[in-house]
Amino acid sequence: DIVMTQSPDSLAVSLGERATINCKSSQSVLYASNNKNYLAWYQQKPGQPPKLLISWASTRESGVPDRFSGSGSGTDFTLTISSLQAEDVAVYYCQQYFSTPLTFGGGTKVEIK
Amino acid sequence: EVQLVESGGDLVQPGRSLRLSCAASGFTFDDYAMHWVRQAPGKGLEWVSGISWNSGTTAYADSVKGRFTISRDSAKNSLYLQMNSLRVEDTALYYCAKGKYQLLLGAFDIWGQGTMVTVSS
Repeated sequence: DIVMTQSPDSLAVSLGERATINCKSSQSVLYASNNKNYLAWYQQKPGQPPKLLISWASTRESGVPDRFSGSGSGTDFTLTISSLQAEDVAVYYCQQYFSTPLTFGGGTKVEIK
Repeated sequence: EVQLVESGGDLVQPGRSLRLSCAASGFTFDDYAMHWVRQAPGKGLEWVSGISWNSGTTAYADSVKGRFTISRDSAKNSLYLQMNSLRVEDTALYYCAKGKYQLLLGAFDIWGQGTMVTVSS
């Protein structure tokens, strides 16, 4: 099974500042034949289901603000919120869909400093 | 409107069975893989099971393999999870989620609100 490890567990960022979340997979999720990273990022606000933000490591879903960006390849990935807004307070999860069982990271809680 | 609505959650004793349902609307159900994901109270997300667009492929987390069975009914636009031999550690909010593609290997772009399963004596 592919283990997804996120860091930090939580972070507090001032409004308008950058937030960076890391995700590391125990093995590569880059599929050589199509050069795609099978990695997604989700946002979960309190009392709500998760929302897909980014798939293929860096492709934003329709309607997701461009302050959210994903980067990385192979085993190391990053979700960046370029200018934190109040509505971005949430828990963020990475997920690999390279192989079953599909697995999620433990989550990173983002708060306002 | 694209929507997933789960039902069937309940309080049950250890060792008993429960069947969850997920009603899909607003998209062509037959064209996409579907999944169940659970979240224990105050904890993170755990993928439970997935089924491909034509039911040709199913997969399970090791924690539920042999106890849970996923299925789908295209005539009813519905996804199901039959849960047998329930354990206390199965207590969680169970989400139904739509895959972005026909096969299991894709992100989940639509989620339901979840149905709560509590296993306790």
